[in-house]
Amino acid sequence: QVQLQESGPGLVKSSETLSLTCSVSGGSISSYYWSWIRQPPGKGLEWIGYVFYTGTTNYNPSLKSRVAISVDTSKSQFSLKLSSVTAADTAVYYCARDRVLFSFDMWGQGTMVTVSS
Amino acid sequence: QSVLTQPPSVSAAPGQKVIISCSGSNSDIGNNYVSWYQQLPGTAPKLLIYDNNERPSGIPDRFSGSKSGTSATLGITGLQTGDEADYYCGTWDSSLSAGVFGGGTKLTVL
Repeated sequence: QVQLQESGPGLVKSSETLSLTCSVSGGSISSYYWSWIRQPPGKGLEWIGYVFYTGTTNYNPSLKSRVAISVDTSKSQFSLKLSSVTAADTAVYYCARDRVLFSFDMWGQGTMVTVSS
Repeated sequence: QSVLTQPPSVSAAPGQKVIISCSGSNSDIGNNYVSWYQQLPGTAPKLLIYDNNERPSGIPDRFSGSKSGTSATLGITGLQTGDEADYYCGTWDSSLSAGVFGGGTKLTVL
């Protein structure tokens, strides 16, 4: 059974860069798209972007100028970097596997990231 | 404000049926597959429906999906108290070249 696990700092200072990693176990990272999705406290889901196992990426236009997602197939990991964070970036961040265009069949448990001033 | 429009809340009694709507446009629902997710309190979302009306293995047939034009619906029959959760629709938006979710619907089983 494929499992995803997010890791990274739970507290990031305003204007700095948020960095998270998603480790994939129990299955191959190849042949799938891998996404980051976030959920501010008490609010809905927001798609951040995806990376294909080849390294191809696509980002939400509203975050594109600040986001970078990368993949390391040798480690079965993919990563998120979000720069110049503000309080509005405080959220639970999920990594997820996309079985086909925008249907996420596997999710990590989520990690809460708080941006402090 | 979400690209896809869902009612903020719905409610029904145990054993009854409920339908949750998701409204979009030609660039999203109208030309792409819709998926639905269930999010129980404090947990990650779970895929309920993909490709408009397909259920992943392990999802009971009490859950069904449909799509017509630029709208989609999730139906849940035989409601149980364990179905109380937030439900989200999602799809690709071809004009934005981005994924979009609905704002979510909170289901209360009275």
